[in-house]
Amino acid sequence: NAGVTQTPKFQVLKTGQSMTLQCAQDMNHNSMYWYRQDPGMGLRLIYYSASEGTTDKGEVPNGYNVSRLNKREFSLRLESAAPSQTSVYFCASSEVKGTNEKLFFGSGTQLSVL
Amino acid sequence: GQSLEQPSEVTAVEGAIVQINCTYQTSGFYGLSWYQQHDGGAPTFLSYNALDGLEETGRFSSFLSRSDSYGYLLLQELQMKDSASYFCAVRDRGYQLIWGAGTKLIIKP
Repeated sequence: NAGVTQTPKFQVLKTGQSMTLQCAQDMNHNSMYWYRQDPGMGLRLIYYSASEGTTDKGEVPNGYNVSRLNKREFSLRLESAAPSQTSVYFCASSEVKGTNEKLFFGSGTQLSVL
Repeated sequence: GQSLEQPSEVTAVEGAIVQINCTYQTSGFYGLSWYQQHDGGAPTFLSYNALDGLEETGRFSSFLSRSDSYGYLLLQELQMKDSASYFCAVRDRGYQLIWGAGTKLIIKP
């Protein structure tokens, strides 16, 4: 099983350019997430999707948009990239058993905005 | 506000035991999770505690005291491959996981 597949692995953008980060999971999970991680910091939630057709803002949604295309796919779009968006981005999906939620992460996208 | 506090760095010797603490202040509580992240890698799930007490998984154990808003991750028989960052995370009253800033574990031979 591939688990969570995230593309691209690396990307360099100029300020003002746009791009979409793609994420797909093959574990039939309902919930999917986009996080960013800055050096020496924990994960900060950008957007999440509790189920197909729904999306909600997380802690740091400004400058981003998301699309839950179907149950498998959850994309993150930067409409006009800014240097402050230089970060490592992780997509995740979650398995819930009772109150326990276990996240499975993609391998990450290292994004640099110049 | 909501916060999780954990030490930024811990150093231990190969073969020894190390404990990484996590204290939390959140609106509601539905469990404490631990994740491991190697440099350049993605976080991977280690353990979860919803109730007070100790959960053991091989060389790793995790403890929770809800009355103290405190938990820890215990790593035994340390191996060099355990060198990584360890994150605690709490599921709060909302839908989000609140993450600590991570503890970098340095293991010396």
